[in-house]
Amino acid sequence: AQTVTQSQPEMSVQEAETVTLSCTYDTSESNYYLFWYKQPPSRQMILVIRQEAYKQQNATENRFSVNFQKAAKSFSLKISDSQLGDTAMYFCAFMNPSTSGTYKYIFGTGTRLKVLA
Amino acid sequence: SQTIHQWPATLVQPVGSPLSLECTVEGTSNPNLYWYRQAAGRGLQLLFYSVGIGQISSEVPQNLSASRPQDRQFILSSKKLLLSDSGFYLCAWSGRTVHEQFFGPGTRLTVL
Repeated sequence: AQTVTQSQPEMSVQEAETVTLSCTYDTSESNYYLFWYKQPPSRQMILVIRQEAYKQQNATENRFSVNFQKAAKSFSLKISDSQLGDTAMYFCAFMNPSTSGTYKYIFGTGTRLKVLA
Repeated sequence: SQTIHQWPATLVQPVGSPLSLECTVEGTSNPNLYWYRQAAGRGLQLLFYSVGIGQISSEVPQNLSASRPQDRQFILSSKKLLLSDSGFYLCAWSGRTVHEQFFGPGTRLTVL
């Protein structure tokens, strides 16, 4: 069975600094997708970034980028120039599309990030 | 554009009472639909998912059930709530070719 592990329950970073959140996963599949979601205090889940396993290039979305190491099954999120609005819970997620069209997502337990002024 | 709605936003129910949470999606057809529960400060637990009308897969045995009476409507129900059913319930959808999940605003359920 696939698993997703986020080993950092809580982290903090000074405003304008850079922080990296860790995520590892376990799968025997070769075709899959990885995601980072942000859940601010409003509890609305927001997609931050996605990575297709077949792409070697690391995904980037503005201040957010990933370090995808397929062999090591690692998928870390780097937030540059941290802002107060980045304070949230961050979830790493894995999805392996089945041939039946069923997409089941496996979520990690989350990392609570606090950006300090 | 696609939107997803959930209601109610907040619900306080006594133990043993029934439950009905509703989720609807607009702007897409034939979505995959999901119900998750999130305990306070914890991760997401997948409860049910559906790939089509009347097709429900259960991930966790419990006193909850789900139904999909229409293509873009997903309902979470219980005949008798337990204290352990308290939590934050999230509905989500994903497309057949778009692989991200998109989440609704959630329902905070408190069972007393």
